[in-house]
Amino acid sequence: AQKVTQAQTEISVVEKEDVTLDCVYETRDTTYYLFWYKQPPSGELVFLIRRNSFDEQNEISGRYSWNFQKSTSSFNFTITASQVVDSAVYFCALRGAWSSGSARQLTFGSGTQLTVLP
Amino acid sequence: EAQVTQNPRYLITVTGKKLTVTCSQNMNHEYMSWYRQDPGLGLRQIYYSMNVEVTDKGDVPEGYKVSRKEKRNFPLILESPSPNQTSLYFCASSFDRGNTGELFFGEGSRLTVL
Repeated sequence: AQKVTQAQTEISVVEKEDVTLDCVYETRDTTYYLFWYKQPPSGELVFLIRRNSFDEQNEISGRYSWNFQKSTSSFNFTITASQVVDSAVYFCALRGAWSSGSARQLTFGSGTQLTVLP
Repeated sequence: EAQVTQNPRYLITVTGKKLTVTCSQNMNHEYMSWYRQDPGLGLRQIYYSMNVEVTDKGDVPEGYKVSRKEKRNFPLILESPSPNQTSLYFCASSFDRGNTGELFFGEGSRLTVL
């Protein structure tokens, strides 16, 4: 069975601070895919990134960066110089490969509520 | 514009009154799925469909039904809604035969059962 753990329920930072959202996952698949989604107060789910299990290169996109470490089963998300508009719930998610049958669903963590104060 | 459309977006109903939440996607995706979101629990899968006439249970299917008669539509049916089905519901789709991609989500349907 797949599992995603986001231990941080709520984080509050002051604008311009850096913040890291933790994500730890469990899977028996050797091939799998990790995702981050953002859910702003308006409620929709916004796709941020997908990483394949065989690609451990870290990725940076503007103020966002992701640190994927297979050895610790973690896929952490850092926002640099946070802004008020970054306030949202952030979900980490895991999807297995079609060959194992675990691609039938995206398994979500419980989410981290990030509040960026002005 | 590629999108997943859910209706209604907001609904208040009473216990036992059958309702259907529609979901339609215009991306020719094979895979579609329903999730419910509850505080502290993240999103949990209710049902999914790998293609037309192929559906299967997710983690929390009790009290729900689905059908997939056409590729683009995947309605969620609550035959006899109960208050514990008060939740935020998301429909999602993806096209990923052999290439697991991200799910595209609808805007969500907030359901309250009194």
